[in-house]
Order: sequence, then structure tokens, then C-alpha cells
Amino acid sequence: DAKTTQPNSMESNEEEPVHLPCNHSTISGTDYIHWYRQLPSQGPEYVIHGLTSNVNNRMASLAIAEDRKSSTLILHRATLRDAAVYYCLNSGGSNYKLTFGKGTLLTVNP
Amino acid sequence: EAGVAQSPRYKIIEKRQSVAFWCNPISGHATLYWYQQILGQGPKLLIQFQNNGVVDDSQLPKDRFSAERLKGVDSTLKIQPAKLEDSAVYLCASRLTGGKGTDTQYFGPGTRLTVL
Repeated sequence: DAKTTQPNSMESNEEEPVHLPCNHSTISGTDYIHWYRQLPSQGPEYVIHGLTSNVNNRMASLAIAEDRKSSTLILHRATLRDAAVYYCLNSGGSNYKLTFGKGTLLTVNP
Repeated sequence: EAGVAQSPRYKIIEKRQSVAFWCNPISGHATLYWYQQILGQGPKLLIQFQNNGVVDDSQLPKDRFSAERLKGVDSTLKIQPAKLEDSAVYLCASRLTGGKGTDTQYFGPGTRLTVL
């Protein structure tokens, strides 16, 4: 199973940028990099994904290293509603299975 | 667009009892997943369906867990008999197609099971 490594927790202040790192040491050439987040008492929700190039959407930006062994999720201005567990995942294999780790618990201080 | 629906939201049972969870995926989504999430951990895939066929059930404890997806739409996950270690949140997710790495999984709110 594809494995990723993330810090257990991070802290940020409201309205400041947040950079959440992830190591994808076992990623293969055809795996996509996905980020999901899970708010308290809810199921995970999709944030962003990419293959090789940096990606932007209304929620966040994704920066992917040239060797694809690491990625960074960027929240440009953290809000209290961004407090959640953030998971980075490799999606690949014949079934494009997502294998979740423990994720990073993001705390946003007012 | 309606999301993934799950019921019940909460269930408390005694060990050795049976329990069933229901999931209604987003309309038109061919792929359906059941995950188990133990407190403090990320979700673990139990079973993946493509339409009404099983694609991956390698982590499903088949001696006590079973799942079906009749007619390729709704799905039920059953535990019989339940053990204390089955206490967890059971999440259902669906996806439009099963063959593309870019497709997003949409998760339901989950069913929180407590086994006493």
C-alpha cells in the first residue's frame, strides 16, 4: 500500500498562510497526489489533487516537488473553519485505492 | 446535488449482537467504498464495489463482516457477531468511475458504532 508521512499536528493563526507538508517516499510514476480533510464529526472531504504540476483551486494550492517525493498543501489565509485533520494520499494501482494515514491535525488560533 | 447518505448515524449494541449499516451513494456513481475509522486513526478501506461487483475486499474481516450492493446502487454493511474492537465510525464513499486517478471520492457523514 502507498504510504505517506505527515507531521502529527500543526498550529496556525487565523488569516495567516499555512503550509502543510507531506512526504510521498513510495509514490510511483502514475500515482496522483490527493489531499483530503476531515472536520470534526464529519466524513473526509476532497481538497485538491495533482500529478506533476502545481495546482490551485478555490480551497487551496498544491505544490509538488520536481521528484514528486514531497508535496505541500497551502491554505493562503487560514480561517477557524479550516481546523481539521488533513490527509495526503497517493492514489494509484489498478483500483486507484486511497490509503489514509493518521494525517495532520491543524489547529487555527483566533 | 445530494451527497452520500448513511443511516443510522449512531448505534449502540452489546457484543455478540448483529448490526447493519446502510449507504445510498451519489446518483450515477459506479464505485462505492466502505471504510472503518477507529478513534485517532485515518479511515481504513474495508471493501470496494464497482457497480454490484466486489473489486477489493482484502481488509474485510470476512468471518464477521459482510457487504452487498444489490442492483449497483445502495449498499449494506453487516457485522455478525460484533466485538468490542469493532467500535468505530463506518464511512461510506462513492466515486463516479473506478478507473481514473483523478476522480474524487465523496464521503458520507458516517455511522458511529459503539459495542458494549
